[in-house]
Amino acid sequence: DTGVSQDPRHKITKRGQNVTFRCDPISEHNRLYWYRQTLGQGPEFLTYFQNEAQLEKSRLLSDRFSAERPKGSFSTLEIQRTEQGDSAMYLCASSRPWGPGSYEQYFGPGTRLTVT
Amino acid sequence: AQKITQTQPGMFVQEKEAVTLDCTYDTSDPSYGLFWYKQPSSGEMIFLIYQGSYDQQNATEGRYSLNFQKARKSANLVISASQLGDSAMYFCAMREGRGNTPLVFGKGTRLSVIA
Repeated sequence: DTGVSQDPRHKITKRGQNVTFRCDPISEHNRLYWYRQTLGQGPEFLTYFQNEAQLEKSRLLSDRFSAERPKGSFSTLEIQRTEQGDSAMYLCASSRPWGPGSYEQYFGPGTRLTVT
Repeated sequence: AQKITQTQPGMFVQEKEAVTLDCTYDTSDPSYGLFWYKQPSSGEMIFLIYQGSYDQQNATEGRYSLNFQKARKSANLVISASQLGDSAMYFCAMREGRGNTPLVFGKGTRLSVIA
């Protein structure tokens, strides 16, 4: 169990540029979640997948944001035309299929985005 | 309305003492789960403890226990024998419905343990 990994850990970009983040979940986990955390706040849900299917998107996820999980393994989160308000920590989490003892979401270390 | 409310922005506790972090929640779904996560300054979210809405007993994990009062919709975290390494942000979170649905988090409580 190598844990959830995210890449890059830090990203600095200029306003208007596109950025893409990657998340590799724990291998047997079929659910993958993206959250965003701004300074001084708790994480806020953005979107989640079961295998390759995107099950739900938060209204926080504007049309500049897109997420994919093409083969049901890793996922990417792309932000187009970044704005300063997009500066945040982007957290990925994964979980096992539902069942006894499988309620925990395991979080990755996050990608910190700074838009200048 | 806030689904998860943490009313203590910051708390101080003496090393080796116990501390209670408050959390109240709001849901009309009879099936839900309550979580506590720890976030040190490094930023990772560390799972501490889970309580299901149908669980009869309060959850315990080592020095952590969850004081679940269903009628009052509260799920307070109790940390016994505080250690310096417990200094961190603590988040209460809830999932609604059955299955591993997305979590809704509170704003967190910053705990500082004093030697």
